[in-house]
Amino acid sequence: AQTVTQSQPEMSVQEAETVTLSCTYDTSESDYYLFWYKQPPSRQMILVIRQEAYKQQNATENRFSVNFQKAAKSFSLKISDSQLGDAAMYFCASFQYSGAGSYQLTFGKGTKLSVIP
Amino acid sequence: KAGVTQTPRYLIKTRGQQVTLSCSPISGHRSVSWYQQTPGQGLQFLFEYFSETQRNKGNFPGRFSGRQFSNSRSEMNVSTLELGDSALYLCASSWGTGIVYEQYFGPGTRLTVT
Repeated sequence: AQTVTQSQPEMSVQEAETVTLSCTYDTSESDYYLFWYKQPPSRQMILVIRQEAYKQQNATENRFSVNFQKAAKSFSLKISDSQLGDAAMYFCASFQYSGAGSYQLTFGKGTKLSVIP
Repeated sequence: KAGVTQTPRYLIKTRGQQVTLSCSPISGHRSVSWYQQTPGQGLQFLFEYFSETQRNKGNFPGRFSGRQFSNSRSEMNVSTLELGDSALYLCASSWGTGIVYEQYFGPGTRLTVT
């Protein structure tokens, strides 16, 4: 079974500082994608960043970047220059083949990020 | 382009009743997936529909069912509601079914079972 683990239920960061959210996953597949989703209090889930497992280069989207360690099955999210609007639940997710020609998105339990002005 | 829409946004039902939730995907998207979100279990995959066919199913009892129409709109039905079914139900749409297709989420339907 696919599992995604986020070991930090809650984190906080000062505005303009940098914070790193941790995620580990377990898979026997060689082809998979990893995602970080953001869910603000309004509840609309938004994709923050994605990483293809076959790519060695870490993905970057503006202030958001990942540290993808494939051998260690680790996928952390770094948020630079944190802004008040970054406050949200962050979910790490793995998207991979689940059999019978279908794919499945498996989520971690989430990390609640607070940004302190 | 309009995003994924879900109706209703809020719903209150009593135990034993049934409920139907609706999801309209982004125009052109043919895959719709459903997820249940609870504080205890987090986000759990319910099922995926693609071109009116169920492609994948999570570990939920048969009380949870769904369908997809020819216009890609999808409905999810829960029969004989239990208190534990109280949750936020999210749907997500994507253009296709497969690893390269990004999923876009709707705002969710908050179901409360009393």
